[in-house]
Amino acid sequence: EAGVAQSPRYKIIEKRQSVAFWCNPISGHATLYWYQQILGQGPKLLIQFQNNGVVDDSQLPKDRFSAERLKGVDSTLKIQPAKLEDSAVYLCASSPERTRVNNYGYTFGSGTRLTVV
Amino acid sequence: AQRVTQPEKLLSVFKGAPVELKCNYSYSGSPELFWYVQYSRQRLQLLLRHISRESIKGFTADLNKGETSFHLKKPFAQEEDSAMYYCALQAGGTSYGKLTFGQGTILTVHP
Repeated sequence: EAGVAQSPRYKIIEKRQSVAFWCNPISGHATLYWYQQILGQGPKLLIQFQNNGVVDDSQLPKDRFSAERLKGVDSTLKIQPAKLEDSAVYLCASSPERTRVNNYGYTFGSGTRLTVV
Repeated sequence: AQRVTQPEKLLSVFKGAPVELKCNYSYSGSPELFWYVQYSRQRLQLLLRHISRESIKGFTADLNKGETSFHLKKPFAQEEDSAMYYCALQAGGTSYGKLTFGQGTILTVHP
């Protein structure tokens, strides 16, 4: 099966600029996650979608970050305006369903490496 | 709130030596624990999960609720085991699905 696709792979922007990342999950996967991984740290959940509805966005800095999942398939994550501390790898992941016992774990994309200068 | 701690950022061993990557967690409920691995230039991928009690690539991990630990072990390390390893916890309730990751341990296996 095709994996989780993310684009772009790399992005360099200046602070205060805007940036958007795109994710295409595995076909049929109802749940989609965006994680932020800052260098030297483990991934941190930003937002979780179930189909096209938001389940958890408690750690999303809503003053500058936004995300949507149109039609319950692809998703975009936007940062506007970017700050230096937003430099990180942004990972998208998907899973078949939002179950407590996740027998299969997530399938992660390759990530987008954002550098804010 | 849940928390995962991996006390070692770096771990170096020689080929054939035993290896243990430590993971401790804090969670008031009954957690689901996972180990994820990221090899050089590859995606983060699931290595094993505690509910399956399986051995993957020679690695095993036992959930110790008394010590709130989920250490990853392998009796004889191989060079291809060199990678970044993350311990992760999935909580229940309204947060289920969400994974909380530790900071990761870089394992280097020397020839």
